[in-house]
Amino acid sequence: AQRVTQPEKLLSVFKGAPVELKCNYSYSGSPELFWYVQYSRQRLQLLLRHISRESIKGFTADLNKGETSFHLKKPFAQEEDSAMYYCALSATGNQFYFGTGTSLTVIP
Amino acid sequence: EAGVAQSPRYKIIEKRQSVAFWCNPISGHATLYWYQQILGQGPKLLIQFQNNGVVDDSQLPKDRFSAERLKGVDSTLKIQPAKLEDSAVYLCASSLEIGYNSPLHFGNGTRLTVT
Repeated sequence: AQRVTQPEKLLSVFKGAPVELKCNYSYSGSPELFWYVQYSRQRLQLLLRHISRESIKGFTADLNKGETSFHLKKPFAQEEDSAMYYCALSATGNQFYFGTGTSLTVIP
Repeated sequence: EAGVAQSPRYKIIEKRQSVAFWCNPISGHATLYWYQQILGQGPKLLIQFQNNGVVDDSQLPKDRFSAERLKGVDSTLKIQPAKLEDSAVYLCASSLEIGYNSPLHFGNGTRLTVT
């Protein structure tokens, strides 16, 4: 069965420090992984997807099939990065499964 | 492009009452989803439509929840009768197509409180 695990509910880092939000998944097929973000008082929105292999707002994520992980990283955290982050897996038929989310707080 | 529209934004009802939520997806998006997000949890899929047909409703509590997308555009989700545990944010999302990697676009959600 498909499952997405985000082990940290809360994460605090200082401005300028590196940040890593962890995501692990289980899926028998070939996974398509995404990160979604929800800023305060805004709707849930796509941050990045692994197939694009792009950096968005300084964030990157690498799919590691051996470790079944898709961790989100940024070398230097900014205050505007404070938000709720959800890792999601897309299965056959574009069915999305979400993790429980990690609330990131960047301390000035 | 205009985003996914949902209404109402907030709703408070008593248990055993009924409630309905409305969603208008992004124009041209064939696939529409309803998610339930309970406080502290990630969104959980309730039902997925492709045009006006149901793709997946395996997690929809069909004894009390119903949803329709009659003309393949906007959709309504109904709860009747509501229970306390239905208190959650109900999110509507749409995607351009049903294939892999078609990202979801979310509405602002409807926050339901059942007292």
